[in-house]
Amino acid sequence: KAGVTQTPRYLIKTRGQQVTLSCSPISGHRSVSWYQQTPGQGLQFLFEYFSETQRNKGNFPGRFSGRQFSNSRSEMNVSTLELGDSALYLCASSLAVAGAAETQYFGPGTRLLVL
Amino acid sequence: AQTVTQSQPEMSVQEAETVTLSCTYDTSENNYYLFWYKQPPSRQMILVIRQEAYKQQNATENRFSVNFQKAAKSFSLKISDSQLGDTAMYFCAFTSMNRDDKIIFGKGTRLHILP
Repeated sequence: KAGVTQTPRYLIKTRGQQVTLSCSPISGHRSVSWYQQTPGQGLQFLFEYFSETQRNKGNFPGRFSGRQFSNSRSEMNVSTLELGDSALYLCASSLAVAGAAETQYFGPGTRLLVL
Repeated sequence: AQTVTQSQPEMSVQEAETVTLSCTYDTSENNYYLFWYKQPPSRQMILVIRQEAYKQQNATENRFSVNFQKAAKSFSLKISDSQLGDTAMYFCAFTSMNRDDKIIFGKGTRLHILP
């Protein structure tokens, strides 16, 4: 089975722009979670989608949004980029909802640099 | 609110030695799951080991074992006979058995295995 894939792998944007990141989960997985990883804060939970519905959301401003499609692929969008949004964005998929202690399988991440 | 604390930002040990990574957590829940995830340099994060809080027996996966002290809310990871491939960032994580709960990660410990 192919693993979790994320596109693009690297991205450079300028302040004020918006960006869309994509995540394709492992085939058959219905849950997709997004995390922001920075050296200072570690991994911070952004949101989780299951069967096209947002199940949970972390403490991030409304500039961060996401969605999930019927094929379980997910996208996250960040509008009005700020310098502090520079980070590695990780996507993880699992068979069922992550909070049920399902093993999460992580993608390689998208490294976003905001100038 | 649940929190996960990893008090060792960085550690180095010689190959073949045993190393213990510390993790403490705070929760009012009685039933929950704890995890250790490994993120090798430039590679995807993978699950190392998982412990259910209701199980008294410490989880073991080959050279990796945990010391789970529920009363002390401590969950340390022991790596025996360390290998160069163990060099990675290690994250401790917590989730309650409430299906609506999200996974909370510590800030990580960067482990260097020296030849």
